[in-house]
This record gives sequence, structure tokens and C-alpha cells, in this order.
Amino acid sequence: AQSVAQPEDQVNVAEGNPLTVKCTYSVSGNPYLFWYVQYPNRGLQFLLKYITGDNLVKGSYGFEAEFNKSQTSFHLKKPSALVSDSALYFCAVRVQALSDTDKLIFGTGTRLQVFP
Amino acid sequence: NAGVTQTPKFQVLKTGQSMTLQCAQDMNHEYMSWYRQDPGMGLRLIHYSVGAGITDQGEVPNGYNVSRSTTEDFPLRLLSAAPSQTSVYFCASSYSSRASGGETQYFGPGTRLLVL
Repeated sequence: AQSVAQPEDQVNVAEGNPLTVKCTYSVSGNPYLFWYVQYPNRGLQFLLKYITGDNLVKGSYGFEAEFNKSQTSFHLKKPSALVSDSALYFCAVRVQALSDTDKLIFGTGTRLQVFP
Repeated sequence: NAGVTQTPKFQVLKTGQSMTLQCAQDMNHEYMSWYRQDPGMGLRLIHYSVGAGITDQGEVPNGYNVSRSTTEDFPLRLLSAAPSQTSVYFCASSYSSRASGGETQYFGPGTRLLVL
């Protein structure tokens, strides 16, 4: 079955330290991978995506993600965390539904808490 | 552009009542979808549409109906609400959902539904 997993419910990090939010996937074919962020009482916002090309993808707000095909992972990273980065982060993978239609499968989300 | 808008923001229903959650986008997007967000389960796809007049079921379609009479609007109907439908509902849209693409989805702010 095609799926995406976020093994950590919550990640705690001190402000200024590097952060990593983990994501692994299982899909047939080439994966299209996404990270979205959700701030309290808001909808999801797009952060970055991997379609093809360089394994290191840079996105909004200083975030980046590294695609690792051998480990089937797409971990989200940031060199120096900010308190304002505290939010719920979702990894998603595109799967093909009908003959010419995609849909996204989301992970269960990881809550990032950055402490001052 | 207003982006993706949803109404109402919050609704309380009694078991057995019906209601329609409204979703509209002004970006001329082909693809629209409805998700529900539940704690520990991430986002799950309810229904989606690849264009006016075309809809299909997602992962958890039971108890929900949709229609797409225009490109802009994609209402979600609960015919007979049940407590299990207590959730936060998000509408999303993207320019297309072609298999060759990796389109970014734009999310509305969500509707919080409580069924008593």
C-alpha cells in the first residue's frame, strides 16, 4: 500500500538549534513529495516539494528537505530554529488515482515545539 | 485573490441534521478536494473533483456528498450528521491534478464541526 509515515508525534528543540522532522514514504514509481505547515486555527500552507532533480530542496521560511531514495525518506530540516516555527508539520506523497488524476496522501503530522 | 474560502468557520449540529459546508476558490483551479482532520490521523481525503461536473470518492466518502456545478464552488453535504463526523474540514484546490504534475495545493482556513 502506498503510504507516508511521520514517526514522531512531537519534536522539541531549543531556539537557535538545528531541527529535523522525519518522513518516510512507500509508493510505486517515482515519488512526488511535499511538506506543509499548519499554524494554530489555520489551514495548511505549502512549504516545499520534491519532484525531480537535486536531492536537497529549499523552501519557504528557511526550511529545506533532503530526498533520500535508498532510505525512502524526505526529512524536513532547518539550520536554526525560531520560536515562530512552532506548528504542526505534514509530509505528503502524491499517488496516482484514476488514469490521469493525482491525489495526496498525508502523514499523521508532527508537532514542532521550539523553546526560547 | 481571496484564495480558498470556507464557510462557516464553526458549526454545531445535532445527530441526524443535514448541512452543507461551502468552499469556493477564485484562482480558476481545476482540482478541488475535501479533507477531514482528526487527531492522530492526519488529513484524510473525502471527495475530490478534477473539473466542473466531475467528482470522485477519496478514502473516507461515506456520509458525504459533493457536486461541482461550477469551477469555483465545491460544496460538501452531510445528509444525516453523526457524532463520528465531528472533525475539522479543509477544502483545497490546485491548478490541475494531472499525473505528470506535482501541483501545490492551496487550503482554506477550515470548518470546525461538532455533532452532538
